[in-house]
Amino acid sequence: NAGVTQTPKFQVLKTGQSMTLQCAQDMNHEYMSWYRQDPGMGLRLIHYSVGAGITDQGEVPNGYNVSRSTTEDFPLRLLSAAPSQTSVYFCASSYAGNSYEQYFGPGTRLTVT
Amino acid sequence: AQTVTQSQPEMSVQEAETVTLSCTYDTSESDYYLFWYKQPPSRQMILVIRQEAYKQQNATENRFSVNFQKAAKSFSLKISDSQLGDAAMYFCAYRRRTSGSRLTFGEGTQLTVNP
Repeated sequence: NAGVTQTPKFQVLKTGQSMTLQCAQDMNHEYMSWYRQDPGMGLRLIHYSVGAGITDQGEVPNGYNVSRSTTEDFPLRLLSAAPSQTSVYFCASSYAGNSYEQYFGPGTRLTVT
Repeated sequence: AQTVTQSQPEMSVQEAETVTLSCTYDTSESDYYLFWYKQPPSRQMILVIRQEAYKQQNATENRFSVNFQKAAKSFSLKISDSQLGDAAMYFCAYRRRTSGSRLTFGEGTQLTVNP
C-alpha cells in the first residue's frame, strides 16, 4: 500500500492564481481531512469528508473548496490564492474500525507571492 | 469549542536523560481521545501515543509514556532515555469520540536533543 499520497510536494503560486492540491489513499478509508500547518499554530482543520459525496467545513474553510467523488481521492482547491494561504498542507485519512487513527500524507509546502 | 494548549514552544534535553512535554486542553466532553504526534524534519506526522479518556491507566509505548490528569485536563508526554532521533516537533491533539476523524491540535513543542 502507498498509504496517503499528496502532490505536488512544493508549489509556488502568484496571488490570484488557482490550483488543486491532490490527495489520494489506497486503504479504503471512509474519512479524509485537510489540515494546514502554520508556525506557532499547530495544524488546523480546513475541510473533511466522511465518505464519497459528503464533505463539511472545518475550522478554517474560507478560500478553499473540496469535493469527494470517490473514496480514494480528496482534492483541495484554492480558487484565488492569497499570501495568507502560504502554509504546509496535510491530507489525512482514517476509518472507524481503528478508532479513526489518522494516517497523514507527506504534506505540500505552498508559497503564495 | 475545544482548545489544546502547549505552553512550551521549545524544550531541550541531554541524550539519555528524561524530558516531559506539557499539554492542557479545554472541553466540556467526558468521552474523548488524546494524542501525541511527532513531526521530524522530514515533515511526516507520526503517531507517538494515544490515550482514551475513559481509561484511567496512563498509556505507555516503549520509552514514551503519558501522565493523564482528566480532572485537571492535563496530558503530558514523558520521553525516557532520550535519543538523538527523538529531536522533532511534538504536537498534542484532541478528538471527541463522536467527532469522527476531526482533530484539534496544540501549537507544538520543538524538542532538541543534545549529545
